[in-house]
Amino acid sequence: QQQVKQSPQSLIVQKGGISIINCAYENTAFDYFPWYQQFPGKGPALLIAIRPDVSEKKEGRFTISFNKSAKQFSLHIMDSQPGDSATYFCAASIIGNKLVFGAGTILRVKS
Amino acid sequence: GAVVSQHPSRVICKSGTSVKIECRSLDFQATTMFWYRQFPKQSLMLMATSNEGSKATYEQGVEKDKFLINHASLTLSTLTVTSAHPEDSSFYICSAPGQGGNGYTFGSGTRLTVV
Repeated sequence: QQQVKQSPQSLIVQKGGISIINCAYENTAFDYFPWYQQFPGKGPALLIAIRPDVSEKKEGRFTISFNKSAKQFSLHIMDSQPGDSATYFCAASIIGNKLVFGAGTILRVKS
Repeated sequence: GAVVSQHPSRVICKSGTSVKIECRSLDFQATTMFWYRQFPKQSLMLMATSNEGSKATYEQGVEKDKFLINHASLTLSTLTVTSAHPEDSSFYICSAPGQGGNGYTFGSGTRLTVV
């Protein structure tokens, strides 16, 4: 019940396109859903996060869509750029408690 | 914003020796620190949770006698990998809950290589 399932495992997108990564969770007690970006050799950096009381949150080119009834949430990267090429992790937690991470998605944006 | 300073960023040690990794909360008090391990091309896996002034809680399958965690103050948590072996080579990352339910703050990670 602690799992967070993430897909796809890898993704190739043309420059300017939309990158979409999906996650599903099981624990209905989770109340914090962040997305992290990680470059090789670096720690994860928070991109955007959402709480379950809203269905969508947008910050610049990054949007989280959240479907509470389906227990799913997704990251949309608009106008994808080569600099967005990185590994993306979704995660979930009961805020203040341990984060459970998805398996990660390797994104490559082709110029 | 909240910052967690993690040191060292890279360490190479000989098999059988011990290595200590430190995480300091610079501008806030971290009563809890999460320690993760990340193998190449894999996700972050929680190893243990340290709480200031009490014993750490280890995840299933993590050897508490091998991975010693100390959280002696509100600003410092340490992870010591004892009798390190090549299979312990990994990326170790600490994280503290943010203030007021404001997410989590991650350290920059420690790349451990055991030769």
